[in-house]
Amino acid sequence: DIVMTQSPDSLAVSLGERATINCKSSQSVLYSSNNKNYLAWYQQKPGQPPKLLIYWASARESGVPDRFSGSGSGTDFTLTIGSLQAEDVAVYYCQQYYSTPFTFGPGTKVDIK
Amino acid sequence: QVQLVQSGAEVKKPGASVKLSCKASGYTFTGYYMHWVRQAPGQGLEWMGWINPNSGGTNYAQKFQGRVTMTRDTSISTAYMELSRLRSDDTAVYYCARAQLPAIAAAGGNYWGQGTLVTVSS
Repeated sequence: DIVMTQSPDSLAVSLGERATINCKSSQSVLYSSNNKNYLAWYQQKPGQPPKLLIYWASARESGVPDRFSGSGSGTDFTLTIGSLQAEDVAVYYCQQYYSTPFTFGPGTKVDIK
Repeated sequence: QVQLVQSGAEVKKPGASVKLSCKASGYTFTGYYMHWVRQAPGQGLEWMGWINPNSGGTNYAQKFQGRVTMTRDTSISTAYMELSRLRSDDTAVYYCARAQLPAIAAAGGNYWGQGTLVTVSS
C-alpha cells in the first residue's frame, strides 16, 4: 500500500496570510504514460463530507477559489492557500489514486491565528 | 444537478451486518465509478473500495476483503455497501463518492453523499 503522510498536523495562520500543507507519498504517484500525478486534495469542514479541491496534483476543481493551488510531482506535494479566509478553517486531506487502496493522508487542521 | 443521497443512521450489535444505500441522480449512474469511504469519530478518511456500476465489478481494500460487498441496482441508480461481522471499531460515518471522471476508477471523488453513521454497540 502507498502510505501518505502530511505535515504539519495542524497550523494556525492569520487572515490574509498564506497557508502551506505538505503531503508525501511512500512511492511515486506519477504515471509515466500520461505524465499525471494521481493525487487529490480535499477540504472537510465539521459535519460535512469532504470536498474535492485539487486533482492531478495541480488542477483546480470547478468552483474552487483560485487562492487554492496544488503543486509537486512524484512523491512530494503541496497545497497552498494563498490568502487565508475565515471560511477556509477545515481539515485538509491528500489522497493518492495511483494504486488501490486509494489511501488518504492523516489530515492537516487549519485554524485562524 | 448531481446528488448522492444515502440511507439513514444504523445501530447494530457486534457480529451483525449492515447494508447501506447511496441513491444517485442528475447523471448517468452507469457512467461513473462509485467509491466508498469511511471516517471513524474524530479520525481521518479511509478508502474501502469501488464499484463499477456499469459492469458490477468491484475492488476492495485488502483490509475489508471477506467482510465487504458492494453491489448496485441500475434500475434505481443505487449503489449498496454491505459490511458483515461488525465490530465496535467499525463505528464510523460511511460515505459514497462518485469518481470525478467517466468510466475511470482512478480519480478523486467530486460528489459525495451526506454520509451514514453506523454505530456498532452491544
